[in-house]
Amino acid sequence: DAGVTQSPTHLIKTRGQQVTLRCSPKSGHDTVSWYQQALGQGPQFIFQYYEEEERQRGNFPDRFSGHQFPNYSSELNVNALLLGDSALYLCASSTRTAFYGYTFGSGTRLTVV
Amino acid sequence: QKEVEQDPGPLSVPEGAIVSLNCTYSNSAFQYFMWYRQYSRKGPELLMYTYSSGNKEDGRFTAQVDKSSKYISLFIRDSQPSDSATYLCAMTTGGSYIPTFGRGTSLIVHP
Repeated sequence: DAGVTQSPTHLIKTRGQQVTLRCSPKSGHDTVSWYQQALGQGPQFIFQYYEEEERQRGNFPDRFSGHQFPNYSSELNVNALLLGDSALYLCASSTRTAFYGYTFGSGTRLTVV
Repeated sequence: QKEVEQDPGPLSVPEGAIVSLNCTYSNSAFQYFMWYRQYSRKGPELLMYTYSSGNKEDGRFTAQVDKSSKYISLFIRDSQPSDSATYLCAMTTGGSYIPTFGRGTSLIVHP
């Protein structure tokens, strides 16, 4: 049983560019949450998708947007990249209310230069 | 003040030691408490979760919650080098289902 799959694993982008990160949830999970983890920090909640809609959003600017597809997979888009966007981006899947059942992917390491 | 405070460490202990990892929090609405383990270059994995106050044991791991003090702990007995990782506490209210994480404590268990 595959867990959460994220792609790509590493990415280097230039300031001002746009990036798209992808996530396939664990089988049986219908909810996808995205987190940003800066070096030496805990994961910070970006937003959560359920039934193809953004259900909750953390304190992140509109440059961060997302999408969920009918097969529950999800994308995270970041526009106008800043140096401070360099971080590990984690995708977590779960069922709608089983927050304690979060399964995380290994993340995408984004470096903005 | 952050909602969840956690000492980043590193905490270095010899193999076989009892390890105590702790978090404090400020939001009295938190009801669900979780501990995650994160190995280098990996995503966090859930170790344990508890509801409200009290203790919960799972093998070598014991989670403790003291809501009156807004303080939670994770104890690891007979620590092993394979326990070397970053341990993240997380907590959520009953309504949001979105965990708020601490910054994590780096644990090093040396042989």
